[in-house]
Amino acid sequence: GIQVEQSPPDLILQEGANSTLRCNFSDSVNNLQWFHQNPWGQLINLFYIPSGTKQNGRLSATTVATERYSLLYISSSQTTDSGVYFCAVEGTTDSWGKLQFGAGTQVVVTP
Amino acid sequence: DGGITQSPKYLFRKEGQNVTLSCEQNLNHDAMYWYRQDPGQGLRLIYYSQIVNDFQKGDIAEGYSVSREKKESFPLTVTSAQKNPTAFYLCASTTGGSPLHFGNGTRLTVT
Repeated sequence: GIQVEQSPPDLILQEGANSTLRCNFSDSVNNLQWFHQNPWGQLINLFYIPSGTKQNGRLSATTVATERYSLLYISSSQTTDSGVYFCAVEGTTDSWGKLQFGAGTQVVVTP
Repeated sequence: DGGITQSPKYLFRKEGQNVTLSCEQNLNHDAMYWYRQDPGQGLRLIYYSQIVNDFQKGDIAEGYSVSREKKESFPLTVTSAQKNPTAFYLCASTTGGSPLHFGNGTRLTVT
């Protein structure tokens, strides 16, 4: 099946800093989504972005499907941005909706 | 409000007992999923269902069983055959071309 690699595995930021998280995948995709898991375990969908660029407040994401990667940008980070960020993809040869998750990037934002 | 309800939030069982985790959604989504998350790890797919009365094994189905008798409900049974059942279990749902939504999860501890 499709392989998903996220980098860096861990990230420590000072409040107000900007950062970029990366997701590489091994095959063509129909579907790519970014999620944030807060310290209580709740998973929130940030972006549904199989290609192109989207922005939502201080967060934005870009997927370059032809080069098999996606980037998540966090600007002016806040302590509430702490948690784990997951990238999940559905390969073109996978069943509809069957998402493969990366191992995540653990982000800690310090005051 | 529409959403996914998982119950209970915490569950404790003795080794050798089967246990059923509940997942209900009122989003009118066609597809539902069960994921398992171990500490510090990503999410792994246990089972998924794209329509009522049909479901497929995910990557780690051994020791688990599911049913999909109603569109809104997708219960997961953790059987005594599952060797390491202690984990965080997440239910999710989606419909074609839309983001994946998660419930708040059930933390299962088996001793």
